[in-house]
Amino acid sequence: KAGVTQTPRYLIKTRGQQVTLSCSPISGHRSVSWYQQTPGQGLQFLFEYFSETQRNKGNFPGRFSGRQFSNSRSEMNVSTLELGDSALYLCASSMIIAGSYEQYFGPGTRLTVT
Amino acid sequence: GNSVTQMEGPVTLSEEAFLTINCTYTATGYPSLFWYVQYPGEGLQLLLKATKADDKGSNKGFEATYRKETTSFHLEKGSVQVSDSAVYFCALSATNYGGSQGNLIFGKGTKLSVKP
Repeated sequence: KAGVTQTPRYLIKTRGQQVTLSCSPISGHRSVSWYQQTPGQGLQFLFEYFSETQRNKGNFPGRFSGRQFSNSRSEMNVSTLELGDSALYLCASSMIIAGSYEQYFGPGTRLTVT
Repeated sequence: GNSVTQMEGPVTLSEEAFLTINCTYTATGYPSLFWYVQYPGEGLQLLLKATKADDKGSNKGFEATYRKETTSFHLEKGSVQVSDSAVYFCALSATNYGGSQGNLIFGKGTKLSVKP
């Protein structure tokens, strides 16, 4: 099975712009979660989508949004970019194994805001 | 709220040394516990997991036991190799009100360097 794919892998944007990141989950996985990874804050949960519905949301401002399509592919959008949004954005797709979720991560999108 | 605290590195060991990375957690209810590993330039890979008290997760020579009485999930390996050099993250997932476990809460990560 192919793993989780994320596009693009690297992105450079300017403050004030917006950006859209894409994630394709492992075939058959219906849940997609997004995380932000920075040196200072570590790994922080952004949101989770399941069957096109946002099921859970982390503590991020409304500039961060996402959606999920009927084929389970997901996108996240960040509007009005700030320097502090520079980070590695990781997507994970999930399946239930032995009663608990196992999350499988993609390689991430490295976003640099200048 | 739920949280994970793990020893911060960096940790530097010689090949074949014994490894312990401490991890403790705070959570309501009965979370599932995980160790993830991140190699340079890559995403996270699930290393092992445990879903209930006294469970032992193991993979590739790594082990961790879910200790509810001490709220700990320490990672151990008897003999590390240079190829084990990476950043290790302890994480928990707790079922939220919507029934989802899709949000992992991570520790800060521990960077391990193994010298030949």
